Amino acid sequence: GAGVSQSPSNKVTEKGKDVELRCDPISGHTALYWYRQSLGQGLEFLIYFQGNSAPDKSGLPSDRFSAERTGGSVSTLTIQRTQQEDSAVYLCASSPTGQIYEKLFFGSGTQLSVL
Amino acid sequence: ILNVEQSPQSLHVQEGDSTNFTCSFPSSNFYALHWYRWETAKSPEALFVMTLNGDEKKKGRISATLNTKEGYSYLYIKGSQPEDSATYLCASQVLNRDDKIIFGKGTRLHILP
Repeated sequence: GAGVSQSPSNKVTEKGKDVELRCDPISGHTALYWYRQSLGQGLEFLIYFQGNSAPDKSGLPSDRFSAERTGGSVSTLTIQRTQQEDSAVYLCASSPTGQIYEKLFFGSGTQLSVL
Repeated sequence: ILNVEQSPQSLHVQEGDSTNFTCSFPSSNFYALHWYRWETAKSPEALFVMTLNGDEKKKGRISATLNTKEGYSYLYIKGSQPEDSATYLCASQVLNRDDKIIFGKGTRLHILP
């Protein structure tokens, strides 16, 4: 079956513009994560959706970042008024139920460059 | 240890040699330890998920061990091959972090021909 799909694969934007990043998880997966990797850094947790529960937004770096997940499937990460420090690879991952022993299935990421 | 730490940050290994690297994680309220391989231009791919102290997992030439009491895991690669060149990520799930999966910065492995 299809894996986790992310779009766009690359996004170049100007400082101050808004961007939207999309993630299509594997069908039926209830848990969805957003991470980002800045140059020289590890994978930084951003937000976690689990079924119909309120999302865990504790990793979002500022109020310019928001995410939603419609119908328990597709998720959109929105960055408003982008800054150069937002440049990173944004990765989405899903797992079947979010149980502790489940591995994550990752998308190929969106490379965001803010000029 | 409040975060997941990996060492070394980067490693060069001659083809055919064996190697290993370390992941350190919070030992209190431990849930699970994950290892992922991230090759350039590809998605991170799960290698192992381990939950029990003393657990050992093996996948081909790659194996991992887990010590939950002292908070460390080792990843071993036997007889390194060029296709092993990748970043190896370790991630921990801890109770007091609401089950979030927290990653280390990774070990970048380069296999020299």
